[in-house]
Amino acid sequence: GAVVSQHPSRVICKSGTSVKIECRSLDFQATTMFWYRQFPKKSLMLMATSNEGSKATYEQGVEKDKFLINHASLTLSTLTVTSAHPEDSSFYICSARVTSGKFEQFFGPGTRLTVL
Amino acid sequence: QKEVEQDPGPLSVPEGAIVSLNCTYSNSAFQYFMWYRQYSRKGPELLMYTYSSGNKEDGRFTAQVDKSSKYISLFIRDSQPSDSATYLCAMSPFGGSYIPTFGRGTSLIVHP
Repeated sequence: GAVVSQHPSRVICKSGTSVKIECRSLDFQATTMFWYRQFPKKSLMLMATSNEGSKATYEQGVEKDKFLINHASLTLSTLTVTSAHPEDSSFYICSARVTSGKFEQFFGPGTRLTVL
Repeated sequence: QKEVEQDPGPLSVPEGAIVSLNCTYSNSAFQYFMWYRQYSRKGPELLMYTYSSGNKEDGRFTAQVDKSSKYISLFIRDSQPSDSATYLCAMSPFGGSYIPTFGRGTSLIVHP
């Protein structure tokens, strides 16, 4: 149980294009989903927290117009990197939490984004 | 000073060795202490968690928390090549959003 999937697992795009990454909780309903960014040999950096049906809460320094997050249902959240540039190349990981008041998060397998 | 400090390694050990992975932290409000394992190009998976101080054992894995020293450890007994991965510590306060703060991870290599 508690499986989280991400799609695509890897994407290569040209500079200036937009890329959408999907995060799905397969066997549970996720009231809260998180989006992280991870650089090589660096810690997971929380980008934003999204609750189903409401606007995402972005961490300081994360551009909300650059990284659009939609959490339209209890099993799906999407991250759209708009007008991607090479510096946006990274490993993006989502996680999902079953209910509020619980700390445990279940992580997706991640999406490797490369912007040429 | 970062809230959570973790040596990135790599830590290379022979198969069968006892492995000790550690993190230090500065925020005394942290109450939940977690260890995640992350294989290359995969998302992290929760190995163990501890609430407040003390030890917790699960098979070959033992987690220890020393709140007085703000120091946590993960011990792996009889290490196997399949344990080769990056191990991230994470911690969060009790209540509120429970959003954890992660260490940068320690890369562990267990060679046959």
